[in-house]
Amino acid sequence: QVQLVESGGGLVKPGGSLRLSCAASGFTFSDYYMSWIRQAPGKGLEWVSYIGSSSSFTYYADSVKGRFTISRDNAKNSLYLQMNSLRAEDTAVYYCARGGDTSIDYWGQGTLVTVSS
Amino acid sequence: SSELTQDPAVSVALGQTVRITCQGDSLRSYSANWYQQKPGQAPVLVIYGKNKRPSGIPDRFSGSSSGNTASLTITGAQAEDEADYSCNSRDTSGNHWVFGGGTKLTVL
Repeated sequence: QVQLVESGGGLVKPGGSLRLSCAASGFTFSDYYMSWIRQAPGKGLEWVSYIGSSSSFTYYADSVKGRFTISRDNAKNSLYLQMNSLRAEDTAVYYCARGGDTSIDYWGQGTLVTVSS
Repeated sequence: SSELTQDPAVSVALGQTVRITCQGDSLRSYSANWYQQKPGQAPVLVIYGKNKRPSGIPDRFSGSSSGNTASLTITGAQAEDEADYSCNSRDTSGNHWVFGGGTKLTVL
């Protein structure tokens, strides 16, 4: 079965950096677009970024463009999100999800990122 | 980019039918997907494309669309359907995704 397991969340000071990872299993990772979506405490879902199956293209929400970088390693079945210049408003649960072309179907359980001094 | 608008809260009596709507300009060009999210859990896809259900999703869930409005209908709502429901689609540029603000469904 499809499994997506995020890691790397935690507490970071404003202006700091964090790298999230997502380990995928149960499907042919290299066949799928992959996405990051976040959810601030008590708020709705916000799409962050997605990457093509062979890393040939990436797209970002305006709120993170220039600060976040999505990448993947198909040999390791892994997705990453490098987050720089973090702000308080980036505080959220970050979900790794499969898809990003026609739909986003499977989601991981999420990892909490807290940006606070 | 564009926005998707949902009613914040909707309620339905047990066993009755409820429709949850999602409005946005991008829905004139792109299909809506619908997610169910229960407290402390990750979202689950319940409807994608033009009224398609992933494996394991009960057939009481259905989707439809007209103009700039997409709808999720639950026919014969069950207690376990109480959750937040969010729509999403491509934005008007076609390169980004956008989510609605979510609708909290209460089953009475």
